Amino acid sequence: DIQMTQSPSSLSGSVGDRVTITCRASHGIKNDLGWYQQKPGKAPKRLIYAASSLQTGVPSRFSGSGSGTEFTLTITGLQPEDFAAYYCVQHNSYPLTFGGGTKVEMK
Amino acid sequence: QLLLQESGPGLVKPSETLSLTCTVSGGSVNSGLYYWDWIRQPPGKGLSWVGTIYYSGSTYYNPSLKRRVTISVDTSKNRFSLQLTSVTAADTGLYFCARHPRYSNSGFDYWGQGALVTVSA
Repeated sequence: DIQMTQSPSSLSGSVGDRVTITCRASHGIKNDLGWYQQKPGKAPKRLIYAASSLQTGVPSRFSGSGSGTEFTLTITGLQPEDFAAYYCVQHNSYPLTFGGGTKVEMK
Repeated sequence: QLLLQESGPGLVKPSETLSLTCTVSGGSVNSGLYYWDWIRQPPGKGLSWVGTIYYSGSTYYNPSLKRRVTISVDTSKNRFSLQLTSVTAADTGLYFCARHPRYSNSGFDYWGQGALVTVSA
């Protein structure tokens, strides 16, 4: 099974900050990785797919990079609506596995 | 616009079976282009993949749940279902149905709104 290690588990930021979240895969997964944003009680929303492709309608301040085992989600210019939880998920092989999540909180 | 809607009992007794259905509208579970998924989230915790089904009935399950989980598809009613047996309080949480494409690595593109299931006597 592929383990996804996401860090940090939480971070505090201010509006306008640049924040970076990392996911590491225990085995190479090419670019079979997505990033999701989730607000309390709501379904996750896809932000990035195939590691670096921006989902239609998602603001360009979100970007993804990486391949193989190391992946990054960057928010450039944090906005009030971005305070939420973020998850990576690998879909290279079953069982599909999520990172543990990162909670982005207001400083 | 594809819509996925979970339905089922919100309260299940310990040791009994959790049953949820995901009804798909605006698309077909009979499409060979997609897999159909269940994902869950305990209160205050992260997301966890439960399992996946293809229209043909092929399934993939989380190894940690494999002995207790069954996912089935009903193409005539355009829906798929989850059964989880011998539930405990640890199975309490939000259960989401979702979809992911078979031939691309774009991941879960559509989700249901989620169904809260509480395991309690």
